Amino acid sequence: GAVVSQHPSRVICKSGTSVKIECRSLDFQATTMFWYRQFPKKSLMLMATSNEGSKATYEQGVEKDKFLINHASLTLSTLTVTSAHPEDSSFYICSARKGGGGVYGYTFGSGTRLTVV
Amino acid sequence: KNQVEQSPQSLIILEGKNCTLQCNYTVSPFSNLRWYKQDTGRGPVSLTIMTFSENTKSNGRYTATLDADTKQSSLHITASQLSDSASYICVVSATDSSYKLIFGSGTRLLVRP
Repeated sequence: GAVVSQHPSRVICKSGTSVKIECRSLDFQATTMFWYRQFPKKSLMLMATSNEGSKATYEQGVEKDKFLINHASLTLSTLTVTSAHPEDSSFYICSARKGGGGVYGYTFGSGTRLTVV
Repeated sequence: KNQVEQSPQSLIILEGKNCTLQCNYTVSPFSNLRWYKQDTGRGPVSLTIMTFSENTKSNGRYTATLDADTKQSSLHITASQLSDSASYICVVSATDSSYKLIFGSGTRLLVRP
């Protein structure tokens, strides 16, 4: 149990376009989802926390107008990189926290490799 | 400041050998500590999760220890295999309402034949 599906796994887009990444909890309801960015050979960096039905909370330094997060249901959160630029190229990972918490509450997606050309 | 530090940054071992990875944390109030394995280009996969009251937990060839007094944890890998080559990340959770995870920078392990 506790499977998180992230799609797409890889995407290449042109500079100036927008890209949407989906994160779905397949077999549980995720009251909270997290979006991370990971640079090569570095650990995960939290970008924002999203709660179902409310606005996302962004970490300091993360542009909320560039990285739009929508958590419209208990099983789906999306991250849209708007007007993408080459410096947005990175590995993006989502995590879903099962409702009710507990130590077994976090599951990560498999990540999305974004390349902006 | 809540921090998680891991050592070594990288490690190379021969197949079949054992190794131990270290994690020190200054997270307070402490809730639990997790070890994740992350293959290149993939999301982290949970290996072990330990709460304050647990001092050891095993998952196959992986054994994690936790000393909540000294705020240290270790991950011991027994009889390493080539597929163990990955980054191992120590993650600590605090008992506040943010539910945020605090990540270590990871140890990159390479197992050579």
